[in-house]
Amino acid sequence: TQLLEQSPQFLSIQEGENLTVYCNSSSVFSSLQWYRQEPGEGPVLLVTVVTGGEVKKLKRLTFQFGDARKDSSLHITAAQPGDTGLYLCAGASRSYNTDKLIFGTGTRLQVFP
Amino acid sequence: DTGVSQDPRHKITKRGQNVTFRCDPISEHNRLYWYRQTLGQGPEFLTYFQNEAQLEKSRLLSDRFSAERPKGSFSTLEIQRTEQGDSAMYLCASSSLSTGKLFFGSGTQLSVL
Repeated sequence: TQLLEQSPQFLSIQEGENLTVYCNSSSVFSSLQWYRQEPGEGPVLLVTVVTGGEVKKLKRLTFQFGDARKDSSLHITAAQPGDTGLYLCAGASRSYNTDKLIFGTGTRLQVFP
Repeated sequence: DTGVSQDPRHKITKRGQNVTFRCDPISEHNRLYWYRQTLGQGPEFLTYFQNEAQLEKSRLLSDRFSAERPKGSFSTLEIQRTEQGDSAMYLCASSSLSTGKLFFGSGTQLSVL
């Protein structure tokens, strides 16, 4: 069974701080996606990483896929209250085919002004 | 593009009753997915369709659960003889074969009393 564990589970920080969320698995994924979910809504795709070692930036968010394609990290610089939400990583077993995404356990981020 | 639409947004039912949820995917998307999410967890894959064909079902999907996508457009998920453990957010998502990017609806929150 493929499992994706995220850490930390909860994170409360002040506006302006930096943070990193980790997503780890013992399984290899052909691609990994990061989503943000707000209460009462479905997850919204932020980024897809495909190549081991790949780094992608989305404004203040930096995503990295581990060399072995078993882990990933999300780094947020100068967090803002608008970054508050549930961050989910999700692994796909086939390249660019999102059949049966395996979601991580989630990291709930709260950014205080 | 109106996004993925799910109906109803909330459903409260008594144990033992049957419930049916509807999902309208993005019109040009040929893949449709159902996920279930409980509080504090990431979404769990239930089943997916490519056009009208149901290609995979999770072992989580007991005999009380059935999903259809009769004309390859909207889909329904029915739960028979609901149990309290069925209480969760039921999420629908769609994607096109060309991009594989999942777009989620806002979900149906089911509460079984």
